[in-house]
Amino acid sequence: QVQLVESGGGVVQPGRSLRLSCAASGIDFSNYGMHWVRQAPGKGLEWVAVISYEGKNRYYADSVKGRFTISRDNSKSTLYLQMDSLRADDTAVYYCAKDKYQLGNYFDYWGQGALVTVSS
Amino acid sequence: EIVLTQSPATLSLSPGERATLSCRAGQSLSDSYLAWYQQKPGQAPRLLIYETSRRATGIPDRFSGSGSGTDFTLTISRLEPGDFAVYYCQHYSSSPGWTFGQGTKVEIK
Repeated sequence: QVQLVESGGGVVQPGRSLRLSCAASGIDFSNYGMHWVRQAPGKGLEWVAVISYEGKNRYYADSVKGRFTISRDNSKSTLYLQMDSLRADDTAVYYCAKDKYQLGNYFDYWGQGALVTVSS
Repeated sequence: EIVLTQSPATLSLSPGERATLSCRAGQSLSDSYLAWYQQKPGQAPRLLIYETSRRATGIPDRFSGSGSGTDFTLTISRLEPGDFAVYYCQHYSSSPGWTFGQGTKVEIK
């Protein structure tokens, strides 16, 4: 069965960096676009970033553009989110989610999430 | 960016009742690329409906989606105890853009 497992969350000070990983299994990872979606405590879902199946195309929400970088290693079936210049309002559970196809579709599988807390 | 507005914010119903959730788009979704997700406390969202009305794999037929243009609806015909959760609508597009509504909480009355 499809499994997406996030790791790398934790507590970080404002202005510092953190990298999240999402390990995929049960799918041919290199065939699918992959997304990051976040959810601040008690709030709704916010799409963060997407990367196409081969890694050539990347898009970001305005709230993270220039600070976050999405990447993938298809040989390791792993998705990454490098988060720099973190702010308190980046505090959230970060989910990785699989695009139904290569890009531009709904999300058919989600990981369980990784909590990122930005606090001094 | 297309803004999605869900209503009501909270729906208080009893098991066995019918739930009707609304999702209104700020502009017409001519492609009908609208999905619905269910999220229970402490869990990741789960896909229920895609392309406005198609049920995802394993989703029971008491869940149905409808709508067009700017107005979309998720209907749960007879609420079961496991259906009390938060529901989000989402627009997706090949010209990149993914937006979520703010969610509707279906709670036990």
